[in-house]
Order: sequence, then structure tokens, then C-alpha cells
Amino acid sequence: AQSVAQPEDQVKVAEGNPLTVKCTYSVSGNPYLFWYVQYPNRGLQFLLKYITGDNLVKGSYGFEAEFNKSQTSFHLKKPSALVSDSALYFCAVRFYSSASKIIFGSGTRLSIRP
Amino acid sequence: EAGVAQSPRYKIIEKRQSVAFWCNPISGHATLYWYQQILGQGPKLLIQFQNNGVVDDSQLPKDRFSAERLKGVDSTLKIQPAKLEDSAVYLCASSLDGLAGEQYFGPGTRLTVT
Repeated sequence: AQSVAQPEDQVKVAEGNPLTVKCTYSVSGNPYLFWYVQYPNRGLQFLLKYITGDNLVKGSYGFEAEFNKSQTSFHLKKPSALVSDSALYFCAVRFYSSASKIIFGSGTRLSIRP
Repeated sequence: EAGVAQSPRYKIIEKRQSVAFWCNPISGHATLYWYQQILGQGPKLLIQFQNNGVVDDSQLPKDRFSAERLKGVDSTLKIQPAKLEDSAVYLCASSLDGLAGEQYFGPGTRLTVT
């Protein structure tokens, strides 16, 4: 069955330290991969995506993600965390199976402590 | 550029009543999505439109949910009759490209069924 997993419900990091939010997937074919962020009392916002090409993609607010085909992962990273990065992060995978389909992960709450 | 508009923002109804949600996507976006987001979970795709045609409605409970996108612009999602488990945030999103394009989300409608 097609699936997306965000294995950590919560990630806590000190400000200034690097952060990683994990995402793995299990879909047929070549997936398109996305990260979205949900700040408190605000709607979901697009951060970055991988469609094809360079495995390392850069996005908004200094975030980047690395597509690893052999490990079927698309982890979100940032070299130096800010308190303002505290939010709920969702990984999403789009794949084609008779029609275009999209699945969202369950979300990871990122908390950055000063 | 105006974002995705949704109304109402909040709705409280009793079980077995009906309710309708409205969405106006970003101008020019051919693809429109409706999601259900239950507290603590990621968004679940209910239906995806490409212009006024349905691309995927495999997770739409068709015995009680219906959606339409007349003229390929605005869309309405209806629930009739509502159940307690329908309590959730209903998100509308739109994108230029229904496969590789990032989605732009509206603020959502929080539905409480009592």
C-alpha cells in the first residue's frame, strides 16, 4: 500500500543548532515530494519540493531537503534553527496510479528552544 | 495576489443536519482540492478537481459527502447528514499544476458536529 511516514511526532532543538525532520515513503513509480509548514493559527504553507534533478533542494526560510531514492526518504533540514521555526511540518508525496494521488504524513511538531 | 478563500471559518451543527462549505481558488489555478484534517492528523484528500472534472474522489464518503466545481472556478463541499466523526477542519487548496505544482491552502473551515 502507498504510504508516507513521519516517524517523530515531535522534534526539539536548541536555537542555533541544526535540525532534521524525517520523512520516508512507500509508493510505486517516481514520486513527487513536498514539505509544508503550518504555523499556529495560520494555514498550510509550501516550503519546498522535489520533482527531478539535483537530490538536494532548497526552499523557503533557509530550509532544504535531500531526496534519497535508495532509502526512500526526503528529510527536511536546516543548518541553524530559529525560535520562529517552531511549527507543525508535513511531508507529502504525490504519485501516479491510474490517476494522480497525494498523501500527507501525520505531521511533526518542531519546537525550538531559545 | 489574493489567496484561497473559504467560508465559513467556523460552523457548529447537530448530527444528522447538513452543512456546506465554499471555496474560491487563486485565479488561474485549474486544480482544486478538498481535504479533511482531523485534530492531530495530516490532511486527507477528499476530492481533487481539474477544471470542473473530478481527478480523484476515492476517499470521499459518497453516501454523505458531495462536491462540485461548476464552471471550473468556485467549489462547494456538502455533508448530508453529518455524523459526529465529521468534526474536523476542512481545507481547500489550489494549484497551477495538478501533478508537480505546489498547493496553496485556504484558512480552512472548522466544523464541530454535536
